[in-house]
Amino acid sequence: AQKITQTQPGMFVQEKEAVTLDCTYDTSDQSYGLFWYKQPSSGEMIFLIYQGSYDEQNATEGRYSLNFQKARKSANLVISASQLGDSAMYFCAMREDRDDKIIFGKGTRLHILP
Amino acid sequence: DSGVTQTPKHLITATGQRVTLRCSPRSGDLSVYWYQQSLDQGLQFLIQYYNGEERAKGNILERFSAQQFPDLHSELNLSSLELGDSALYFCASSVGGVSYEQYFGPGTRLTVT
Repeated sequence: AQKITQTQPGMFVQEKEAVTLDCTYDTSDQSYGLFWYKQPSSGEMIFLIYQGSYDEQNATEGRYSLNFQKARKSANLVISASQLGDSAMYFCAMREDRDDKIIFGKGTRLHILP
Repeated sequence: DSGVTQTPKHLITATGQRVTLRCSPRSGDLSVYWYQQSLDQGLQFLIQYYNGEERAKGNILERFSAQQFPDLHSELNLSSLELGDSALYFCASSVGGVSYEQYFGPGTRLTVT
């Protein structure tokens, strides 16, 4: 069974609008972590944000925030005031603390339109 | 620049051959992770080392092996290469054994012909 599901293979968004990238996960563990990474066309992987399963507050890092809904097993990435440089592939990932393996979703390609 | 270095950047080799990919983690990071990114499989976690010891194992083939040396750099050895091993291989590092954030190197693009 797929542990990380990103249902949006591609998205087109107008510059300066907010963007929500969906991510749902599947785990029976109580202790886990959720990550978002950005991969621009240049190929490097850039860490964006982390949320622990026990964190009560949603994680935020600058224009990025993680909308963590534990009961729904959802960890959506919100990018506020999108910029052209946000065009990239975005990956959601999960680490289950019991074995520390990290599983990635298939990604969402985000296109920001001028 | 994440501070993680990987060499070589590109590697072209023939089927059946063996190659070694090298990774130097960020200064102070004790964990090294290896990932394979291919078009059909996506991004796959291969293996993690923490302070010289294997800590977690993912979808790593038996033809592949890795190690982390006392100076914390790591090598990923790929042997009996097949066409399907063509991929981008990333190394990442983090401070501790349990990863809260990982910093990725630029990757090594392996092409098997």
